[in-house]
Amino acid sequence: DQQVKQNSPSLSVQEGRISILNCDYTNSMFDYFLWYKKYPAEGPTFLISISSIKDKNEDGRFTVFLNKSAKHLSLHIVPSQPGDSAVYFCAASSGGFKTIFGAGTRLFVKA
Amino acid sequence: SQTIHQWPATLVQPVGSPLSLECTVEGTSNPNLYWYRQAAGRGLQLLFYSVGIGQISSEVPQNLSASRPQDRQFILSSKKLLLSDSGFYLCAWIRPPRTEAFFGQGTRLTVV
Repeated sequence: DQQVKQNSPSLSVQEGRISILNCDYTNSMFDYFLWYKKYPAEGPTFLISISSIKDKNEDGRFTVFLNKSAKHLSLHIVPSQPGDSAVYFCAASSGGFKTIFGAGTRLFVKA
Repeated sequence: SQTIHQWPATLVQPVGSPLSLECTVEGTSNPNLYWYRQAAGRGLQLLFYSVGIGQISSEVPQNLSASRPQDRQFILSSKKLLLSDSGFYLCAWIRPPRTEAFFGQGTRLTVV
């Protein structure tokens, strides 16, 4: 039972363009959503988050959008840079107790 | 500042051998601690979490167990490893009421 789904295993984007990573969830009890970035052989690092009471959160080049009615969130990276190439995990939390991760999307940013 | 230590970084073990992976957190108290596994080509699967000493919750039935003997120490164990236990194991902590997790560097376990 996948509560958090990232249906695109990979995404390729040209440097300078926008990267859009998508995530869907099924559990309406989730109240906090997070994005993590992961390089090979390293642990994920926290990138940006959004509370369920908001629909948008922005931090520099990164913006997360939340559509609660559709149970969908997305991460926008503008402009994309080669250093952004990594695996991005969407995650959801209920009361901060435990965090459920999606399968990840590998982003390739081409120079 | 808070840091999380996880060791070893890589481990090759024969089928049927025992396992002990250790994780310690510094610079915080009463953290929630987690063990995740990333199998090849898959996402992060939550294995165990703990909200306090001696308190362990298991998310999936498996060949592994976890223990929390001290506030900032979390141990992942197995009595007899299986080939399917191979993967990248990650320890993480969360300090409520914050919700972002901080991960260790991970342990690459290969069971042969």
